[in-house]
Amino acid sequence: DGGITQSPKYLFRKEGQNVTLSCEQNLNHDAMYWYRQDPGQGLRLIYYSQIVNDFQKGDIAEGYSVSREKKESFPLTVTSAQKNPTAFYLCASSIFGDLGSPLHFGNGTRLTVT
Amino acid sequence: GESVGLHLPTLSVQEGDNSIINCAYSNSASDYFIWYKQESGKGPQFIIDIRSNMDKRQGQRVTVLLNKTVKHLSLQIAATQPGDSAVYFCAENIKHGQNFVFGPGTRLSVLP
Repeated sequence: DGGITQSPKYLFRKEGQNVTLSCEQNLNHDAMYWYRQDPGQGLRLIYYSQIVNDFQKGDIAEGYSVSREKKESFPLTVTSAQKNPTAFYLCASSIFGDLGSPLHFGNGTRLTVT
Repeated sequence: GESVGLHLPTLSVQEGDNSIINCAYSNSASDYFIWYKQESGKGPQFIIDIRSNMDKRQGQRVTVLLNKTVKHLSLQIAATQPGDSAVYFCAENIKHGQNFVFGPGTRLSVLP
């Protein structure tokens, strides 16, 4: 089955440590995204990538970094500079170039930083 | 957008009744809209989408209505079942854009 795999499901880190969240897709989608979800709020875009080796900042990119070395993979690093890193992180992908196509989401990684 | 608080609006319906979930979108230039369902601890699942050249679209047990005049979107679920209990949220996209704007969601609770 095609889909998006995020790992791990739960992640715990101490304050001051960087942590990398994995996202892999086998849908052959060009575009990939990282969103952050906090209670009672809509999803907020962190970074997105429309093609390999290229990515753009979203609305809340500060304290995060990404890479897109392969079409299938779009890992997100939460750095120690991110002031409120505890959140539910969602990776998504979509067909690039389509005049509006739905995002397909993974099942998320819940990050807790103490 | 800014936080609207920790508590989502909740809609409680009896099993078998129809549900209507509403969403006010923000940008009159948005031309593509999606409804997602999110169960606890999972990622959002695509339910149905609609483009701005339509005002109604039907799927299996679901109907989306779009009113561009008042920038309003609604999701109707027929014969609501316990498995429909989840948070539902809408997303809007501006033409040629690759960023969606998401609403905070409505929690649907199905009563036995």
